[in-house]
Amino acid sequence: SSELTQDPAVSVALGQTVRITCQGDSLRNYYANWYQQKPGQAPVLVIYDKNSRPSGIPGRFSGSTSGDTASLTITGAQAEDEADYYCNSRDSSGDHWVFGGGTKLTVL
Amino acid sequence: QVQLVESGGGVVQPGGSLRLSCAASGFAFNSYGMHWVRQAPGKGLEWVAFIDYDATLKYYADSAKGRFTISRDNSKNTLYMQMNSLRAEDTAVYYCAKDGPDKDMDVWGKGTTVTVSS
Repeated sequence: SSELTQDPAVSVALGQTVRITCQGDSLRNYYANWYQQKPGQAPVLVIYDKNSRPSGIPGRFSGSTSGDTASLTITGAQAEDEADYYCNSRDSSGDHWVFGGGTKLTVL
Repeated sequence: QVQLVESGGGVVQPGGSLRLSCAASGFAFNSYGMHWVRQAPGKGLEWVAFIDYDATLKYYADSAKGRFTISRDNSKNTLYMQMNSLRAEDTAVYYCAKDGPDKDMDVWGKGTTVTVSS
C-alpha cells in the first residue's frame, strides 16, 4: 500500500496565503482530495478532483498537483480556517484509500 | 439535505463484537459507494472499508481484513459494519462517508465512538 506524507503543522498570518502539501507515489495516478476537520467535528471535503470545490466551500481554497505532490492553497487565510487538513487518494492498487497524517493549520 | 447518522458504538471488551449502522437520507443511497473511516483519540484519519453501490465490491484496510465486514441494505438506506475480535487499537470514532459523482467521501456523518477496553 502507498503512503501520503504531510507536514504536521503549518502557520499563516491572518489574510496571507498558505500552502499545505501532500506527497505520495499514488498521486501520480490519482487526484488528491482535501478535508478540513475542526475540533470535535467530522471532516468536510474542501477540494476534490485536482481543483474542484464542493458547493459552499469558499473560493480562497484551491488545489494543484505536480508529479507526486498535491497542494492545498488558502489565499487570504481567515481565522475560521484554523483546523486540521487531511489529504487522501486511492493507493496505487486502486482498491484501497489512504489518508495523509494531517496538517494542523494555525492562523496567527 | 444529505444526512448520514451513525449508531451502534459503545464500550466492548477485547475480543468482543459490535455492529455499527449508518442511516442515510436526502440522496439516492442505492446509487453511491460508501466508506467507513475511523479516527483514534488524538490521531489522524484511517480508511477502514468501502462498499460499492450494489455491494458487488468490498475493500478493506489490512487492519480490518478478516475481522470487519461491511454491508448495506439499500431497501433500508443503511450501511453496516460488523466488527469482530475487537482489539484495544480499534478504539476510535467511526465515521461513515458517501461517495459522490466523481468524488470520494463528499459527505460524512458525525461519527460513533467505539471503545475497546477491559
